[in-house]
Amino acid sequence: QVQLVQSGAEMKEPGASVRVSCRASGYSFTKFGMTWVRQAPGQAPEWMGWITAYNGHTDYAQSLQDRISMATDTSTNTGYMELRSLTSDDTAMYYCVRRGDYYDYWGQGTLVTVSS
Amino acid sequence: EIMMTQSAATLSVSPGETVTLSCRASQSVGTDVAWYQQKPGQAPRLLFYGASTRATGVPVRFSGSGSGTEFTLIISSLQSEDSAVYYCHQYDVWPRTFGQGTKVEIK
Repeated sequence: QVQLVQSGAEMKEPGASVRVSCRASGYSFTKFGMTWVRQAPGQAPEWMGWITAYNGHTDYAQSLQDRISMATDTSTNTGYMELRSLTSDDTAMYYCVRRGDYYDYWGQGTLVTVSS
Repeated sequence: EIMMTQSAATLSVSPGETVTLSCRASQSVGTDVAWYQQKPGQAPRLLFYGASTRATGVPVRFSGSGSGTEFTLIISSLQSEDSAVYYCHQYDVWPRTFGQGTKVEIK
């Protein structure tokens, strides 16, 4: 069965960086893209960007493009999302999801808390 | 950026009744709309894609429709486990965008 398993919760100070991983299983990793979505407490999901697993092409949200990076490792079927220069506004649950259009499988989420 | 507007923040409905959720896109997105259900402490769950194609395992009491700028999710014979927040999402153009969500409460 398709599974997306994310790394554990993170607590960061303002100005730091965070990297979240997402290990995929149960499907052909290079056949689908991976999208990253975040959701602040009580808010709607927010699209952050996506990456094609087969060639690493990325497309980022304009509001984040200066401080976000995404990558994939096809040898381990793992996706990565790094967000730099964190502020309290980045406190949210971060999800990896399969596909670049609609999102049929979601990771369990990684809570990132930014606080001094 | 396309805005997805869900007309109701909260709908309070009795068990067994039918509830209609609406979502409007700020410009035409064809049928490139998905609906998700999110329960507290859980990741969103895909209900529909292509505006009306039911995802695997979604009960038939859920139905989706619409095209262009107007989209609807109907839940018939509402059950207690349908209490959740429902989001529409357009994937026609970049950046992908979500509606702000409609919370369905069971009376």
